[in-house]
Amino acid sequence: SQTIHQWPATLVQPVGSPLSLECTVEGTSNPNLYWYRQAAGRGLQLLFYSVGIGQISSEVPQNLSASRPQDRQFILSSKKLLLSDSGFYLCAWTSTGTGLDGYTFGSGTRLTVV
Amino acid sequence: AQSVTQLGSHVSVSEGALVLLRCNYSSSVPPYLFWYVQYPNQGLQLLLKYTSAATLVKGINGFEAEFKKSETSFHLTKPSAHMSDAAEYFCAVSRAGGGADGLTFGKGTHLIIQP
Repeated sequence: SQTIHQWPATLVQPVGSPLSLECTVEGTSNPNLYWYRQAAGRGLQLLFYSVGIGQISSEVPQNLSASRPQDRQFILSSKKLLLSDSGFYLCAWTSTGTGLDGYTFGSGTRLTVV
Repeated sequence: AQSVTQLGSHVSVSEGALVLLRCNYSSSVPPYLFWYVQYPNQGLQLLLKYTSAATLVKGINGFEAEFKKSETSFHLTKPSAHMSDAAEYFCAVSRAGGGADGLTFGKGTHLIIQP
């Protein structure tokens, strides 16, 4: 069966420090991968998605970047964190195609920038 | 562009009562619609989905939703609320009418169950 892993579960980082969040999917190949951010009272915002290795689409101009170095690995990064980067970050995947099977989410990373 | 509106950021019902969470969508193409549930500090779990088959969709945990094109609605219901249903619920529409380039979510409805 397919599983999705995110780590770390929680993270407290000072302003100006770098960030690296990792997401991996098991049990499938060539998934579409997504990064969402959930800020208090603002719902879920799509940040990046990827349909293949090295292919990244950015939805919102911001202080973050994403990379997909391997088929089932998706990394969210920042060179210098801002206070506004705090939030709950969720990785998700779906099989390539129409997304009819639905989107499966990881357990999330709670990031607090101090 | 697709969008979702969830009416009511908080809904409170008594245990055993009907649960009704409202969702209206806007889409320029036939939509795929989803309901997700989120428990505190956890990821999202798919409750049910509409992908242009039957308009009444049954999901997990006794939830169901009805797609009404004329009303552009996809409301979530459960006949009898249970304490374990207390959570955040999100309605979502697929972007670009079914392409796998992500979902657009509503802002969520926090469901409170009164004993």
